[in-house]
Amino acid sequence: QVQLVESGGGVVQPGRSLRLSCAASGFTFSSYAIHWVRQAPGKGLEWVGVISHDGRGSYYAASSTYYRDSVKGRFTISRDNSKNTLYLEMDSLRPEDTAVYYCAKVRGDIYSAFDIWGQGTMVTVSS
Amino acid sequence: SYVLTQPPSVSVAPGKTARISCGGNNIGRKTVQWYQQKPGQAPILVIYYDTDRPSGIPERFSGSNSGNTATLTISRVEAGDEADYYCQVWDSGTDHWVFGGGSKLTVL
Repeated sequence: QVQLVESGGGVVQPGRSLRLSCAASGFTFSSYAIHWVRQAPGKGLEWVGVISHDGRGSYYAASSTYYRDSVKGRFTISRDNSKNTLYLEMDSLRPEDTAVYYCAKVRGDIYSAFDIWGQGTMVTVSS
Repeated sequence: SYVLTQPPSVSVAPGKTARISCGGNNIGRKTVQWYQQKPGQAPILVIYYDTDRPSGIPERFSGSNSGNTATLTISRVEAGDEADYYCQVWDSGTDHWVFGGGSKLTVL
C-alpha cells in the first residue's frame, strides 16, 4: 500500500545537525512533490518545506524547494528518486525546532492537498 | 504572511451537526484543505479543493468556502469524530503553505 516512513529522529544538542529520512513505497515516488510538516509537543501543525517531484523548478514553480522563514538557510530538503527517499538536513538546530516531523505526499501537483502522511519522527533539541 | 484563524474548540452532542470555521483574508479565492488528527496519530486528509472528499471519508464530512471563511461541516456527529481539525491553504504571495491553529472537536 501507499506508505511513507520517517526515520532519523532523536535527541540533539543546540547548534548541532541531524538528518531525517522519509522512505516511500506503493506509488511512483518521482512523480510527486513531498512536504515536511512538524508539530511541537501539544501544538498545531506547522509547514516546514517542500521539494518538487524531480528536485527542479518549472514554469509554474520557479524554485524546486520552498521553506518557511524560520528554517530557511538552516534546513535543506533533498531527494533521491532512485532510492525512493526524501531527506531533511537540519543544521544549527534550536530548542524551538523540537517537534514530531512528518513527511507528506501531495495528491496531484505541488500545490495540492497532502493525501498521505508518514507516522512521524521525534526530534528533541536540548542540552 | 497569510494567517488562518480557527476556534480552539468546538463541542457538539452525538447525532448533531458540527461546524468548524477557518477565517482568512479572501480565503474564498484560495483552495482549502481540511485534516483530521486523533491523539498520537498522523493527520489524515478529509476535505480537499474546498469541497471534495477522498475515498474512504464518510459523506457526513463536507466543506464550503466563500468570502473570508471556509467551513468544515460534520453531520450526524459520532464519538469517533472527536479529534483536532486543521485547515490549510497555499499562499501564492509567499509560496508558503499555511495551516490554521487547529480546532479540537469534543463530542459531548
